[in-house]
Amino acid sequence: GENVEQHPSTLSVQEGDSAVIKCTYSDSASNYFPWYKQELGKRPQLIIDIRSNVGEKKDQRIAVTLNKTAKHFSLHITETQPEDSAVYFCAAIDGSQGNLIFGKGTKLSVKP
Amino acid sequence: NAGVMQNPRHLVRRRGQEARLRCSPMKGHSHVYWYRQLPEEGLKFMVYLQKENIIDESGMPKERFSAEFPKEGPSILRIQQVVRGDSAAYFCASSPPYTDTQYFGPGTRLTVL
Repeated sequence: GENVEQHPSTLSVQEGDSAVIKCTYSDSASNYFPWYKQELGKRPQLIIDIRSNVGEKKDQRIAVTLNKTAKHFSLHITETQPEDSAVYFCAAIDGSQGNLIFGKGTKLSVKP
Repeated sequence: NAGVMQNPRHLVRRRGQEARLRCSPMKGHSHVYWYRQLPEEGLKFMVYLQKENIIDESGMPKERFSAEFPKEGPSILRIQQVVRGDSAAYFCASSPPYTDTQYFGPGTRLTVL
């Protein structure tokens, strides 16, 4: 089955800097990779996703890149703001079943 | 269009009692997924259901846990004879047919005393 590794587990940046979170996956059949943001005590919220027929996708300050050959994908947040502070989870769809396999999360802290 | 609804939001049970968690998917969504999140950890898949069918329950413990998604009404995750290790946040997510995008509910935080 699918396995997703996520790094780093914690990330601290200054407001205005960029943040990058990286994930690798194991199942070459996976074709859908969402990113979720979870604030303390709240539900995971989908912030961006990418499918395997696309190499990069951007939505304002957030972008995701996918390297199918290397089986890794990354989240890029530019011009970070304090409200970006949260735990971010990457996920990959289990190619054979349809459920999501999540990374262990990255706690992002943006210092004003 | 209301989002995914879960209730109760908080549930306290004593060891040995039963816990019933309910999830109402978004309108038009026929797929429901349940995930468990331990403190400071990621989300672990438990079970995937469509109306009246369990599609994949490979992440759900074989004993004490069961799930259903009836033709009418919410999806139910049932935990019998709860133990302290069952304390966690339980999230459900729903998706419409023919799409991978999953939207999460607010979760039920189960505490077992």
